[in-house]
Amino acid sequence: AQRVTQPEKLLSVFKGAPVELKCNYSYSGSPELFWYVQYSRQRLQLLLRHISRESIKGFTADLNKGETSFHLKKPFAQEEDSAMYYCALGTGGFKTIFGAGTRLFVKA
Amino acid sequence: NAGVMQNPRHLVRRRGQEARLRCSPMKGHSHVYWYRQLPEEGLKFMVYLQKENIIDESGMPKERFSAEFPKEGPSILRIQQVVRGDSAAYFCASSLDSLSYEQYFGPGTRLTVT
Repeated sequence: AQRVTQPEKLLSVFKGAPVELKCNYSYSGSPELFWYVQYSRQRLQLLLRHISRESIKGFTADLNKGETSFHLKKPFAQEEDSAMYYCALGTGGFKTIFGAGTRLFVKA
Repeated sequence: NAGVMQNPRHLVRRRGQEARLRCSPMKGHSHVYWYRQLPEEGLKFMVYLQKENIIDESGMPKERFSAEFPKEGPSILRIQQVVRGDSAAYFCASSLDSLSYEQYFGPGTRLTVT
């Protein structure tokens, strides 16, 4: 079965603390993994994709095929990082499977 | 470029009525995707359309739901004889081509069935 699991609905950290948003996937093929973000009153937008191995706004995510994980990390959280984060699995072509999302709250 | 537009943003319907949700893709985009988000759940793929063609509707309920993307005008997601379980946020996304990670999302339409 194709599935994306984000175990935490809410993650609250202090400004400057490290943050890790967990994502696990289930897919028998070769996965494409993405993180999307939705800031308050804004649209869902692509944050980063595993294939490009980039760092966006200080966030990175490494695909671990052995653990079937794609956790999103940032060493020092900022207040402006507070948002809803969705992990997504591309199954080849156009179909994207989204996790339930994790709300990150960065406290001052 | 105003991005992907959806209207209405909020829609209230009584049980048994019809709901029509509209999506105008980004300029130059000819691929449209519809997703549904139920409370406390993630986005669920419903249907993928190109101009005048339904490419994949595997995520759409077999009854009461239909989608179209005509040559001219917006894409329409139509729900006939709505029931309370249809209450959800419906998101539309568009892309220039069929690569899934290049999707741009609209603000969504929140449907409430009373």
